[in-house]
Amino acid sequence: SQQGEEDPQALSIQEGENATMNCSYKTSINNLQWYRQNSGRGLVHLILIRSNEREKHSGRLRVTLDTSKKSSSLLITASRAADTASYFCATGGSNYKLTFGKGTLLTVNP
Amino acid sequence: SAVISQKPSRDICQRGTSLTIQCQVDSQVTMMFWYRQQPGQSLTLIATANQGSEATYESGFVIDKFPISRPNLTFSTLTVSNMSPEDSSIYLCSVDTGMADTQYFGPGTRLTVL
Repeated sequence: SQQGEEDPQALSIQEGENATMNCSYKTSINNLQWYRQNSGRGLVHLILIRSNEREKHSGRLRVTLDTSKKSSSLLITASRAADTASYFCATGGSNYKLTFGKGTLLTVNP
Repeated sequence: SAVISQKPSRDICQRGTSLTIQCQVDSQVTMMFWYRQQPGQSLTLIATANQGSEATYESGFVIDKFPISRPNLTFSTLTVSNMSPEDSSIYLCSVDTGMADTQYFGPGTRLTVL
């Protein structure tokens, strides 16, 4: 069953704007990972945040984690047309298995 | 990180036939996984491919339908047996390198069953 729920399901913005996607989950986790998928191709790993971390940065990406609310957010700053993709959160437990959310389809208009 | 390749990248198959998908990693890894992504959906874990022993299947997936091999620490295969149109999906393998729990995914195999 799906662990995470992303919102929004779809997001359309203009180039240069910031994009924020949210992920909620139900059970306790060891880590939460964000992935990008372009047009039904393979997944590209973006960032991992551990359960004892609250915020991480990587380039134009900022991820937050609130374990008390069982939620995470992914912020992409200064978006580009090349950021157009589906974004998935996935929660990891102690058994290395990942449980994926439904994903957010981000469209960045030039 | 790990570089993962999958073969074939896509295929169109007839109902009732079987297809074997290969996953090759450029380094030895302990954990390998197979996922399915149905059209417009998210990823669902099929099974964990265990080296030297039978794969561990998730609820709703069985060995007769999705037999998996893992002969060594760099290679695994997933067979989709007796296919029906409902099996049309992207099948992805992933690996956990043991480095900080990050999982890396292959490029996927897009399967269409007619």
